[in-house]
Amino acid sequence: AQSVTQPDIHITVSEGASLELRCNYSYGATPYLFWYVQSPGQGLQLLLKYFSGDTLVQGIKGFEAEFKRSQSSFNLRKPSVHWSDAAEYFCAVGDTGNQFYFGTGTSLTVIP
Amino acid sequence: DGGITQSPKYLFRKEGQNVTLSCEQNLNHDAMYWYRQDPGQGLRLIYYSQIVNDFQKGDIAEGYSVSREKKESFPLTVTSAQKNPTAFYLCASCGTGPQHFGDGTRLSIL
Repeated sequence: AQSVTQPDIHITVSEGASLELRCNYSYGATPYLFWYVQSPGQGLQLLLKYFSGDTLVQGIKGFEAEFKRSQSSFNLRKPSVHWSDAAEYFCAVGDTGNQFYFGTGTSLTVIP
Repeated sequence: DGGITQSPKYLFRKEGQNVTLSCEQNLNHDAMYWYRQDPGQGLRLIYYSQIVNDFQKGDIAEGYSVSREKKESFPLTVTSAQKNPTAFYLCASCGTGPQHFGDGTRLSIL
């Protein structure tokens, strides 16, 4: 069965520091992979997506993610975090039948 | 601008009452979804619809009902059978790419 694991429930980083949020998935075929961000009381906003091709994908707000098939991972990175990046981050897997599976999210706190 | 509109933003339910959450999209997407979000539990799928006049139960459909009479609309009814309805509800749609989400409805019990 398809599943998504985000091992870190909560992460705290200092403003200006680098960030990596982990995501591991279980899926039989080549997955469609997504990262979303959610601010309190808001919906989910798509940060980036991977369908095929280059395994390093660039997204909005300076985020990037790398698909590593051998590790079943799709970790999200940002070289320098801003206070406005504090939010909840969700990794998701999609299949060709428009079914989507979400991780339980990682809450990011940014300290000045 | 195309997007998904959920209304109302806040909703209160009395005991024994059914309430309906609205979700409208103008993205011309075939598929629409309802999720429930509780703290620390991520998103749980309630119902989804891949096409007009057809929908399927998700993981937590008990106490909820939906309809899909129009491509643009996918309302969710929280029935009195749902004993713990307090949550944040998110509607999403997709075509051939990623899901797009509305801004959510927060439902509370009076």
